[in-house]
Parts: sequence; structure tokens; C-alpha cells
Amino acid sequence: DAEITQSPRHKITETGRQVTLACHQTWNHNNMFWYRQDLGHGLRLIHYSYGVQDTNKGEVSDGYSVSRSNTEDLPLTLESAASSQTSVYFCASSSSGSTDTQYFGPGTRLTVL
Amino acid sequence: AQSVTQLGSHVSVSEGALVLLRCNYSSSVPPYLFWYVQYPNQGLQLLLKYTTGATLVKGINGFEAEFKKSETSFHLTKPSAHMSDAAEYFCAVSPMNTGNQFYFGTGTSLTVIP
Repeated sequence: DAEITQSPRHKITETGRQVTLACHQTWNHNNMFWYRQDLGHGLRLIHYSYGVQDTNKGEVSDGYSVSRSNTEDLPLTLESAASSQTSVYFCASSSSGSTDTQYFGPGTRLTVL
Repeated sequence: AQSVTQLGSHVSVSEGALVLLRCNYSSSVPPYLFWYVQYPNQGLQLLLKYTTGATLVKGINGFEAEFKKSETSFHLTKPSAHMSDAAEYFCAVSPMNTGNQFYFGTGTSLTVIP
């Protein structure tokens, strides 16, 4: 069955370190998204991609970067982790078009000390 | 920018009672509308969505939602709550002709009292 996976599921890091969160989907979807989930804010879009070599900034992109070298993967990098980036991160993917369902991964809980 | 409002960050209902979770959007052009559910320590799962056609849409687990253009609303209902419905519920909108960007509400935590 097609799926979307995230790794690691839990990560503890220190302020200033570079961190990369992995997202892999086997749906063969064009669109991939990264969100962060924080109490009182719901899910907020960090970055998204509509295809290979395409990346776009979302609502809360400062301090984060992504690259899309193939269809299956969209890794999220925190260049220099800050305590404000402690959050739960979700990756999602969808086929294309405004009506398509986004399918979510299980999430990565990141703690920055 | 799109705005999605979910009234009530916490809702409690008795088992067997009606569930009503509210969602309003701000847009002069109706977007596509979605409801997702999140169980503890899991990702989001689609409950139902409205794109075109019949304004009352049925989803999984007995949930349904009605799109009301005049009220810019897409409220989620279930006639009889089960203990297993306890979860976080998110309303999301996807504006037309903007790719597949979603804007999420802040979520409503549903508690079911036995």
C-alpha cells in the first residue's frame, strides 16, 4: 500500500545545531507539504513543493529550507535550530489541484534545548 | 489571505448525544472545504470534503457536513457520539486556483463523556 513516512519520529537537539527531518511518500504525488503544529495555532504551512526542483515558502518559512530532488522525498532542514522551533512537524502529499486530499505522515516531535 | 475559524477549542458531549463542530471561512469566493481528524500521537486523517455538487457531504465514521454559502460555514455533525470519536478535529480550506494550499483552523478537541 502507498504511504507517507517521516523520520525520525522523535528528535532532541540543541540550539544552533542543523537538523534535517525526512519525509518519504510512495503515492507518486506531485505535491508535498511541511507543516508545524503548535497549541492554539493549528497547522501552519512551512514550505511546499509542486514537483521536482520546485519549492515555495509558506506562512512560517523563516529558519527552514527544503529541496526536492525527486518525487518521493522532501526533507526539511532547520539551518540553526532555535527553541521556538520546538514543535510537531507533519509532512503531507497530494496528487495535484485544489480539490485533492492531502495525506499526512505520522509526524516528528522535535525538541530544541 | 484565507481565514478559517473554528468556534470552541474544546467541546464536550455525552455518549449518544449530537456532535456539532463549527467551521467558518472568510472568502468572497467559496473555497474547497475539508474536515480532518487527529487521534493522539497520529497524523491527520480525512473525514470528508466538499468540492462541488450536493452541499451535504457524508464522511467516514458517521460524520457529515453541510456547506452553506450564505453563512460561509461548513459545520461538522454526527447524530450520536461514540467514545471512539474523542479526538482533535480540524477544518481546512483550499482556495480555488491556488494549487493545493490548505489553510487550517486552530482545531477543536472533542471529549465524549460516558
